[in-house]
Amino acid sequence: EAQVTQNPRYLITVTGKKLTVTCSQNMNHEYMSWYRQDPGLGLRQIYYSMNVEVTDKGDVPEGYKVSRKEKRNFPLILESPSPNQTSLYFCASSSSIKTGTDTQYFGPGTRLTVL
Amino acid sequence: GESVGLHLPTLSVQEGDNSIINCAYSNSASDYFIWYKQESGKGPQFIIDIRSNMDKRQGQRVTVLLNKTVKHLSLQIAATQPGDSAVYFCAENNNAGNMLTFGGGTRLMVKP
Repeated sequence: EAQVTQNPRYLITVTGKKLTVTCSQNMNHEYMSWYRQDPGLGLRQIYYSMNVEVTDKGDVPEGYKVSRKEKRNFPLILESPSPNQTSLYFCASSSSIKTGTDTQYFGPGTRLTVL
Repeated sequence: GESVGLHLPTLSVQEGDNSIINCAYSNSASDYFIWYKQESGKGPQFIIDIRSNMDKRQGQRVTVLLNKTVKHLSLQIAATQPGDSAVYFCAENNNAGNMLTFGGGTRLMVKP
């Protein structure tokens, strides 16, 4: 089954404690992306990757890091989480965001709370 | 499930009626637009897309209309069903086509 998986699904942590949210896709997609979703603000793109070893900032990259060492994985790293990073996070992948014919598949979401 | 938004615009329709959800986009250079559906506790799900060289595209029970003059996008759902209840987002492709920018979302509630 084609899917995007994220782990963990729920995480409560404290300010300053480094954490990683993993994302993996089994569709051999080149494009992967991270979004955060907040009430009243919709989905905002954090980082994206067009291919292995290629990453770019989205609209809200501050406080986040990503890496793309393998095609299937795109972890989101919070080196020093702060309460304003409490949010619902989604990973997504697509074979290409530009063709107009390729669906962008989203993972199930990770609910992060930073105390 | 996960809360998507506490103060989303809400459209309430009777089961069987047609629904129209509207979206205004910001970038006149955007050339690709997508509608997503998000049910409670789930990630957004692709519904339909349209390129800027088209003004209408139809899928199964859904139609997307694009008006580039006023930068407006709409999603029409025919014979709305209870399973259509969800939050709907429009998204536009910008930044040389490498990023999606999402609208704030509209909650559709279908009354039986």
